[in-house]
Amino acid sequence: SQELEQSPQSLIVQEGKNLTINCTSSKTLYGLYWYKQKYGEGLIFLMMLQKGGEEKSHEKITAKLDEKKQQSSLHITASQPSHAGIYLCGARHTSGTYKYIFGTGTRLKVLA
Amino acid sequence: EPEVTQTPSHQVTQMGQEVILRCVPISNHLYFYWYRQILGQKVEFLVSFYNNEISEKSEIFDDQFSVERPDGSNFTLKIRSTKLEDSAMYFCASSEALRLAYEQYFGPGTRLTVT
Repeated sequence: SQELEQSPQSLIVQEGKNLTINCTSSKTLYGLYWYKQKYGEGLIFLMMLQKGGEEKSHEKITAKLDEKKQQSSLHITASQPSHAGIYLCGARHTSGTYKYIFGTGTRLKVLA
Repeated sequence: EPEVTQTPSHQVTQMGQEVILRCVPISNHLYFYWYRQILGQKVEFLVSFYNNEISEKSEIFDDQFSVERPDGSNFTLKIRSTKLEDSAMYFCASSEALRLAYEQYFGPGTRLTVT
């Protein structure tokens, strides 16, 4: 079955620094979603990438999808304490399925 | 902005008891989902629901689980006889459509503690 692996598992950065989180799929990606989760809370949708090479930005967060590498990266520029949380990538299990799978999560801490 | 709501936020129950977790999806959404997240682990798909029937379910979703849309707004997850290992956060989600262009909106979750 398809697995989504994220790296790093955790990250501590100083406020103002840039950072990148990666999500790698073991199988073909049919689009990819990025979510943010605060500890013990629900998932907040960040971005959705549908096509290879696609890049999207929202405020200081940019995500890219590399279909050939079966990988997506999430980049945060000039990090702030408000960026702290757990970042999850998600994807459909297979094309046309209702079933989503999620990555292992990356826990981000931003030091003020 | 419309949102998915879930009740209760926290449920404590004894092993063997039945629990019903409730969700109100976004009103114009057609697809509904339940996920769970055991503490420190991945978010796991349980079931999807469309047109008043289960579309897909995972291996986790065994005979102890059932889902229902009892009226036009609520979507429930029932666990008939809870086990200790059912302790987790349960998330409800909804989406307008199945196509990739429509993201799933998640509720805040219900923390289920089985003692």
